[in-house]
Amino acid sequence: DVKVTQSSRYLVKRTGEKVFLECVQDMDHENMFWYRQDPGLGLRLIYFSYDVKMKEKGDIPEGYSVSREKKERFSLILESASTNQTSMYLCASSLGGGDEQYFGPGTRLTVT
Amino acid sequence: QKEVEQNSGPLSVPEGAIASLNCTYSDRGSQSFFWYRQYSGKSPELIMFIYSNGDKEDGRFTAQLNKASQYVSLLIRDSQPSDSATYLCALRGAAGNKLTFGGGTRVLVKP
Repeated sequence: DVKVTQSSRYLVKRTGEKVFLECVQDMDHENMFWYRQDPGLGLRLIYFSYDVKMKEKGDIPEGYSVSREKKERFSLILESASTNQTSMYLCASSLGGGDEQYFGPGTRLTVT
Repeated sequence: QKEVEQNSGPLSVPEGAIASLNCTYSDRGSQSFFWYRQYSGKSPELIMFIYSNGDKEDGRFTAQLNKASQYVSLLIRDSQPSDSATYLCALRGAAGNKLTFGGGTRVLVKP
């Protein structure tokens, strides 16, 4: 079974802090994705990566950056957290870019 | 027009009945279609996928794809209270490098 893990289930940070969200997959998938999910807005793609050190912007990249130094690990960085970044963050991976995605358990981030 | 449209619901279904969920899409080049189930507070989990026109059955679930009419459906037979969740439709567009998700349909199965 594909396993995608995320570093934290719940996280509380203060405005202006730098925040790192980590995601690890164990199935040698080429593609990894970061989404945020908010009530009424659905899943929104922030960034994705199709190879080590490669990244592409999704629909809402502003305020975020990503890092993929190893195939199995994809990090989401909030350079200076703001209250409007309070959300559920979901990481996913897939073998091919358009293949079925497998999601991690999610990180509920609260920025105060 | 959104790329992937779903009725947000809630779709209320009596236990044992068939739940019918629909998803329409705008990209005629869409190639692959996926249904995910998401329980409240949890992450989406894949139920099934369908690539070709017609029906595909997996246990109590049936996916139906009609590319000419640009819709994909999910039928849940013998609905159980444990099927109460939000169901997300997703598709691989012509670009092929990511999935596009619909907003989801909330299903409530009442005993």
